[in-house]
Amino acid sequence: DADVTQTPRNRITKTGKRIMLECSQTKGHDRMYWYRQDPGLGLRLIYYSFDVKDINKGEISDGYSVSRQAQAKFSLSLESAIPNQTALYFCATSASYGAAFFGQGTRLTVV
Amino acid sequence: AQKVTQAQTEISVVEKEDVTLDCVYETRDTTYYLFWYKQPPSGELVFLIRRNSFDEQNEISGRYSWNFQKSTSSFNFTITASQVVDSAVYFCALTPSGGYNKLIFGAGTRLAVHP
Repeated sequence: DADVTQTPRNRITKTGKRIMLECSQTKGHDRMYWYRQDPGLGLRLIYYSFDVKDINKGEISDGYSVSRQAQAKFSLSLESAIPNQTALYFCATSASYGAAFFGQGTRLTVV
Repeated sequence: AQKVTQAQTEISVVEKEDVTLDCVYETRDTTYYLFWYKQPPSGELVFLIRRNSFDEQNEISGRYSWNFQKSTSSFNFTITASQVVDSAVYFCALTPSGGYNKLIFGAGTRLAVHP
């Protein structure tokens, strides 16, 4: 089993719908992140969390919200999806100044 | 400002050629970490290396080597005797100091290795 698991792996949704992407990890790391990948732009940080009581906005948080349900679970929500949120989404975890380990990614298409 | 620049958008080589992927970073922090990740066609992100700002020694791992030069703010990645399996998008990333390990990514370099 993967250390960082994202569900779903692929999702097509309609404009205006609410959608949740889920992430769980078995690495025991306290830090968790959500990134978005767009062609030619690399990955950009949406939200990050140090622990269950610590949630922080990243570079591109508008239109997104997150919930840290437990140390091992970090979900990303799009309250009202729009087409320009079509992207590849990655969840990641890390220990202090260690490498970040990424999930397999969720390919989201908003039509 | 914190920034990572990978000026090479795409590189195409023939198998067994050596290839260097460039990475230039900007940060005012004295303590920071640099990373390289590989994204093969399957889409996952694979960690390759981490380097802290106080360690300028070059590193070699098999066919991979990294050259970190603080004087030019560069952290370049060389693949020796490239293979088709090296075809991927490679990302350079920076984590400034502050405790959260937030990664600032470059736009990536797509490497195509042809037989």
